[in-house]
Amino acid sequence: AQSVSQHNHHVILSEAASLELGCNYSYGGTVNLFWYVQYPGQHLQLLLKYFSGDPLVKGIKGFEAEFIKSKFSFNLRKPSVQWSDTAEYFCAIPEPYAGGTSYGKLTFGQGTILTVHP
Amino acid sequence: DGGITQSPKYLFRKEGQNVTLSCEQNLNHDAMYWYRQDPGQGLRLIYYSQIVNDFQKGDIAEGYSVSREKKESFPLTVTSAQKNPTAFYLCASSFLAGVWNEQFFGPGTRLTVL
Repeated sequence: AQSVSQHNHHVILSEAASLELGCNYSYGGTVNLFWYVQYPGQHLQLLLKYFSGDPLVKGIKGFEAEFIKSKFSFNLRKPSVQWSDTAEYFCAIPEPYAGGTSYGKLTFGQGTILTVHP
Repeated sequence: DGGITQSPKYLFRKEGQNVTLSCEQNLNHDAMYWYRQDPGQGLRLIYYSQIVNDFQKGDIAEGYSVSREKKESFPLTVTSAQKNPTAFYLCASSFLAGVWNEQFFGPGTRLTVL
């Protein structure tokens, strides 16, 4: 079974600082990856996703992530964070299709809380 | 306005009681999911359903039960057998369960056992 690891539990930055949140996965086959974000008091929502093609993926609100297959990583980046980026961020990987009932399940990392000070 | 609704937002339960959390979607999605969110543990899958009248256990199904009698609805019952039920519960849905289909999430229900 695949797994996802986010090593940073809590990251604290000042506005305008650059951001990189780590995400490592363990799975040797074809990989699809997601980053979700949960702003305070709001629904969990999709930030960006990688399925194939260009390993540099751009998402909403200026976020991007780079899929590096050799490092089993899908780190989330933003050049200059804002106070409004304060949220919890989750990396997730879908379970590969193995027929029948396993199709469509998501495995989430532990989450990284980002606090941005104005 | 399409989306996923969960009710109630906050729920308090006495030990030994069963409680049912509601999840409704009007997105015409085929698949629905229940997750449990605990601090520092991310989201863990409880149950999921790809079609009406069919559902499968996720990673932490013990002490929970579900039903899928309608496409739009996927209620979760937290039974007295669940040893540590206090948590934040999230419902999600997507088009045909598949790796390319984004899951959309509801606002969640926070359950506290007194």
